[in-house]
Amino acid sequence: GIQVEQSPPDLILQEGANSTLRCNFSDSVNNLQWFHQNPWGQLINLFYIPSGTKQNGRLSATTVATERYSLLYISSSQTTDSGVYFCAVNTNAGKSTFGDGTTLTVKP
Amino acid sequence: EPEVTQTPSHQVTQMGQEVILRCVPISNHLYFYWYRQILGQKVEFLVSFYNNEISEKSEIFDDQFSVERPDGSNFTLKIRSTKLEDSAMYFCASQGKGGGGEAKNIQYFGAGTRLSVL
Repeated sequence: GIQVEQSPPDLILQEGANSTLRCNFSDSVNNLQWFHQNPWGQLINLFYIPSGTKQNGRLSATTVATERYSLLYISSSQTTDSGVYFCAVNTNAGKSTFGDGTTLTVKP
Repeated sequence: EPEVTQTPSHQVTQMGQEVILRCVPISNHLYFYWYRQILGQKVEFLVSFYNNEISEKSEIFDDQFSVERPDGSNFTLKIRSTKLEDSAMYFCASQGKGGGGEAKNIQYFGAGTRLSVL
């Protein structure tokens, strides 16, 4: 099956700093989603982005489908950005395959 | 945005008991999924369901698990005899065919049910 790798596994930032999270995948995908898992365990959808670039406030994402990777940018990070960020890809098989996640800690 | 609803948000049960986790997918969606996340680990696929039958299941989805769409709106996951290692967050997801303003291949996830087996 498809492999999804996220990097880095852990990231510690000072408040106000910028960060880039990466997701590599091993095969063509129909869709790619970025999630933020909050402290209660809920998966909060950030972007549906099979290709191209999207922006939502301080967050933006870019997926280069031909090179099989996606990037999530967080600018001017805040302590509330802390948590685990997951990338999930969806293929013709239907199910989503998740990466291991990046744990982000933003310090005040 | 459309919403997938899961109940309960937290379920505590004794080992060996049966539990049923409930999900209300987005209406007119056709594809339904259950995923599991053990604490500190990644989200893993359990089972997909389409046209009233299982379309794919993972190795985790053994004979202790079953899924059902009893009334055309709810989608349930039953664990017959819970084990300690079934303690996890369980997520339901649904997906439409696309069209009518909705993009294809987007899975909408519920907020999850935390299952604690004691």
